[in-house]
Amino acid sequence: SQKIEQNSEALNIQEGKTATLTCNYTNYSPAYLQWYRQDPGRGPVFLLLIRENEKEKRKERLKVTFDTTLKQSLFHITASQPADSATYLCALGEDSSASKIIFGSGTRLSIRP
Amino acid sequence: KAGVTQTPRYLIKTRGQQVTLSCSPISGHRSVSWYQQTPGQGLQFLFEYFSETQRNKGNFPGRFSGRQFSNSRSEMNVSTLELGDSALYLCASRTPTSQETQYFGPGTRLLVL
Repeated sequence: SQKIEQNSEALNIQEGKTATLTCNYTNYSPAYLQWYRQDPGRGPVFLLLIRENEKEKRKERLKVTFDTTLKQSLFHITASQPADSATYLCALGEDSSASKIIFGSGTRLSIRP
Repeated sequence: KAGVTQTPRYLIKTRGQQVTLSCSPISGHRSVSWYQQTPGQGLQFLFEYFSETQRNKGNFPGRFSGRQFSNSRSEMNVSTLELGDSALYLCASRTPTSQETQYFGPGTRLLVL
């Protein structure tokens, strides 16, 4: 069955360092991968989308890589700040249908001052 | 543009009751999807509506139903509530030009006692 795993439930990083989150998947052929940020009691907020034919995407301090051979995506936050503390979800999609998008369980990132 | 809004934000019900949740998408978005989020199962797809028609449905019992109105607002109904229905219910809308990206509302926190 399709499976998507995010490397750890929680990650603690010192302010200023680079946070790296991992998303691995099996039995799935995604056309794209997304990363969302979710704060407690709130809905996920879209951050970045990367397509299967793209290796890397950047947006300000965020960088996403997508390796379809390894079936893995890495999400980096450089110069991390306490305000970056949140849960980060990865999501894979085969097409634009919402029913074909699967979400990982998330990694809770804490940035300590 | 105003974001996705959901009402109510919090609800407490007892087993056996029914509940109706409401979602107003971003203006111009005609696709609305509903998700259930729990600590154990993560984000799970419930159903998707487009132009008042249900396009897809997830693996949830028939107690979960929804509808969409001509103004794209959507409602979700859960009948005969069970303790396990306690969750954060999220709706998301999508732009016609970028179908992969979903914009989530803040969610409705449902507690079933």
